[in-house]
Amino acid sequence: DAKTTQPPSMDCAEGRAANLPCNHSTISGNEYVYWYRQIHSQGPQYIIHGLKNNETNEMASLIITEDRKSSTLILPHATLRDTAVYYCIVRSSGTGGYNKLIFGAGTRLAVHP
Amino acid sequence: EAQVTQNPRYLITVTGKKLTVTCSQNMNHEYMSWYRQDPGLGLRQIYYSMNVEVTDKGDVPEGYKVSRKEKRNFPLILESPSPNQTSLYFCASSSRTGRNTEAFFGQGTRLTVV
Repeated sequence: DAKTTQPPSMDCAEGRAANLPCNHSTISGNEYVYWYRQIHSQGPQYIIHGLKNNETNEMASLIITEDRKSSTLILPHATLRDTAVYYCIVRSSGTGGYNKLIFGAGTRLAVHP
Repeated sequence: EAQVTQNPRYLITVTGKKLTVTCSQNMNHEYMSWYRQDPGLGLRQIYYSMNVEVTDKGDVPEGYKVSRKEKRNFPLILESPSPNQTSLYFCASSSRTGRNTEAFFGQGTRLTVV
């Protein structure tokens, strides 16, 4: 699985959009970009994933560059409860394999009033 | 509600006293894994299972055992715990099929070995 690089920390004002970047320059054609977050010491929570098209769900949007070497997770209206560590993970998906997740250090997002 | 349930949530034990952390999922998932999380080291996979009676070592399996006798349960066994196994443990499950292979995590078990 490709390696990812994320900033160690970011701040965001409550109500504003939080844009979390991730670099994955060695991503291969069959690898998806996944985002998880971990609030305090709770279990990681799935947010969103995508292959090459932009994706949106009720939690966030995922923007993947055309060359797929980087992506941005967007929380459109951050709240205090979005304060967490956000992990960008690149891995193969679909049938087969065992869905192992390799977690890096992630980005610690602090949302302030 | 889809969930992964771990028990206990907190455990303090003494060196050498065998213990089991249970994990159960209600989503009929084939894949289950155990991770440990330590400061500065992130989450690391201990063991995983692809289906009933199929288990294999992850990245840090030493000192741990697992079993998968039923699809829903994947207990983590520490036969002789040592202080270096003090950690925060997470169980995860995911489906083998389909495009959306998100993993669901339990709430964690904080283990202290003294």
